[in-house]
Amino acid sequence: DSGVTQTPKHLITATGQRVTLRCSPRSGDLSVYWYQQSLDQGLQFLIQYYNGEERAKGNILERFSAQQFPDLHSELNLSSLELGDSALYFCASSARGDSTYEQYFGPGTRLTVT
Amino acid sequence: AQSVTQLGSHVSVSEGALVLLRCNYSSSVPPYLFWYVQYPNQGLQLLLKYTTGATLVKGINGFEAEFKKSETSFHLTKPSAHMSDAAEYFCAVSHGANSKLTFGKGITLSVRP
Repeated sequence: DSGVTQTPKHLITATGQRVTLRCSPRSGDLSVYWYQQSLDQGLQFLIQYYNGEERAKGNILERFSAQQFPDLHSELNLSSLELGDSALYFCASSARGDSTYEQYFGPGTRLTVT
Repeated sequence: AQSVTQLGSHVSVSEGALVLLRCNYSSSVPPYLFWYVQYPNQGLQLLLKYTTGATLVKGINGFEAEFKKSETSFHLTKPSAHMSDAAEYFCAVSHGANSKLTFGKGITLSVRP
């Protein structure tokens, strides 16, 4: 158990809909990362938040957005969903101190868009 | 820009045989390197990391990896494979503390009895 929790574990929804994925980082970790894992694209970095502020952005679509709340949990919002958004979405956390290199991953949310 | 190359998508070994999973990286700054393992229907678990210092790093479950700057490689090895090692293995690189990870495509390891 990494200490990172993600809900829900599975999500099935229709095209055009909007969903919210939730992540709670390890206790004390300030940084949250979101990654998307799909068969064709592999594991891709989407976005990072550090102590409530957006820190880095990857290949995140404009239809996707995220935020980190004062209690450090994070939400990833996916809207106008398309079939191609079906993937496993991971949250990871790090940064209990300034020199933290490794990230700890949650179990993921499997999103199926039908 | 950083990138990671993991050649091949599948490696099959016999139980008790040497495991060698290859990883080559490209980075314009000193890299920080990681190996993660993903068991079916689970998240990624950190096996080992190289940040600075000793180039041979030991990880969990008997795995180790050696950072070779001249070869831009960070291959993962285990002297004797166990059935429980069957999983997908990802090599990743970052450019510093609290930075995003760039992953390779992953290698599926199968272990034959």
